Amino acid sequence: GAGVSQSPSNKVTEKGKDVELRCDPISGHTALYWYRQSLGQGLEFLIYFQGNSAPDKSGLPSDRFSAERTGGSVSTLTIQRTQQEDSAVYLCASSLGYNTEAFFGQGTRLTVV
Amino acid sequence: QKEVEQNSGPLSVPEGAIASLNCTYSDRGSQSFFWYRQYSGKSPELIMSIYSNGDKEDGRFTAQLNKASQYVSLLIRDSQPSDSATYLCAVNDRSAGKSTFGDGTTLTVKP
Repeated sequence: GAGVSQSPSNKVTEKGKDVELRCDPISGHTALYWYRQSLGQGLEFLIYFQGNSAPDKSGLPSDRFSAERTGGSVSTLTIQRTQQEDSAVYLCASSLGYNTEAFFGQGTRLTVV
Repeated sequence: QKEVEQNSGPLSVPEGAIASLNCTYSDRGSQSFFWYRQYSGKSPELIMSIYSNGDKEDGRFTAQLNKASQYVSLLIRDSQPSDSATYLCAVNDRSAGKSTFGDGTTLTVKP
């Protein structure tokens, strides 16, 4: 079956521009995560969606970052007024529900120039 | 104190040896524990899950869980160069079910 799909795979943007990153989770998975990973670093938690519950936004680094999940499925992470420090790989993951493993997409490599 | 802590490494072992990776967590009520492997430039992939105290074996991999000590480990027997990667420990919290990841331990297996 299809795994977690992220688009685009790579994105180069100019400083100050807005970007949207998309994640299509595995069908039926109620939980969805966004993480950020800079080169050689660990996973930085950004946001967690679980079913119809209010999302856990505690990891969003600034108000330039936002995410939504429509219809309990596709999610979009939006970064406004991008900065060079936003350059990283953005990973999306989904899981079937509580206490289950996460499956990761291939990531979106964002480069802000 | 971080919620999930791992030795950052790097950990280097010779081919054929046992590699031991350790993880501690702070939430005593955590119920689900996972080990992921991440090759350089790739996304993390699940290799082991464990939910009960004790050992769980899958091929060359053994996960060990001790909830009283809030400790989970991963043993890799007969380590191979292809095992060289970063290993991430993840713990799910009891209320929201959210996975929290450690920063990972980088393992190098030398031929």
